Amino acid sequence: DVKVTQSSRYLVKRTGEKVFLECVQDMDHENMFWYRQDPGLGLRLIYFSYDVKMKEKGDIPEGYSVSREKKERFSLILESASTNQTSMYLCASSSQGGRSHEQYFGPGTRLTVT
Amino acid sequence: QKEVEQNSGPLSVPEGAIASLNCTYSDRVSQSFFWYRQYSGKSPELIMSIYSNGDKEDGRFTAQLNKASQYVSLLIRDSQPSDSATYLCAVNEARGSTLGRLYFGRGTQLTVWP
Repeated sequence: DVKVTQSSRYLVKRTGEKVFLECVQDMDHENMFWYRQDPGLGLRLIYFSYDVKMKEKGDIPEGYSVSREKKERFSLILESASTNQTSMYLCASSSQGGRSHEQYFGPGTRLTVT
Repeated sequence: QKEVEQNSGPLSVPEGAIASLNCTYSDRVSQSFFWYRQYSGKSPELIMSIYSNGDKEDGRFTAQLNKASQYVSLLIRDSQPSDSATYLCAVNEARGSTLGRLYFGRGTQLTVWP
């Protein structure tokens, strides 16, 4: 069965802290994605990766970085957390090739920055 | 920026009725189309994928695709209160498509009342 896990369901951090959000998938998927979701704004893509050590900016990369050292793991880093980064963060993965493109989501991390 | 448009709703239907959710997209060469269901406070769950013009049925769900009109819809027959959720339409990145990026609409909120 498809499985994407995220390190925390809820996280509270202070302004200026460095924050790490971890995502692990066990489906041997090549592609991994980080989104944030805010009321009225929908899902917005922050970064994605289509291979180990590769990354591509999404639509809102400012204030974030990512790391993909292993195929199954994709980390999102908030270098210096700010209150406007309070949001629901969702990780997803998909396979390459053919018609797939089906993305499977983890349970999400609700981050509050105070 | 590719556009994926959905009626934001809310859409409210009685139990047992057919719920019809609509989505239009701007990129004429998109090839893969998806419907996700998202319950409040949860992550999106893939419920339907469609790649060819016409209808695709899965239980009470039918996805309809018309590439000439750049239109995809989801019909839910015999709607149940448990179908109450936000439904997200997603369309693939059509160029360099092995990267697997999806573009999401903002979702239509469906309420099924008993």
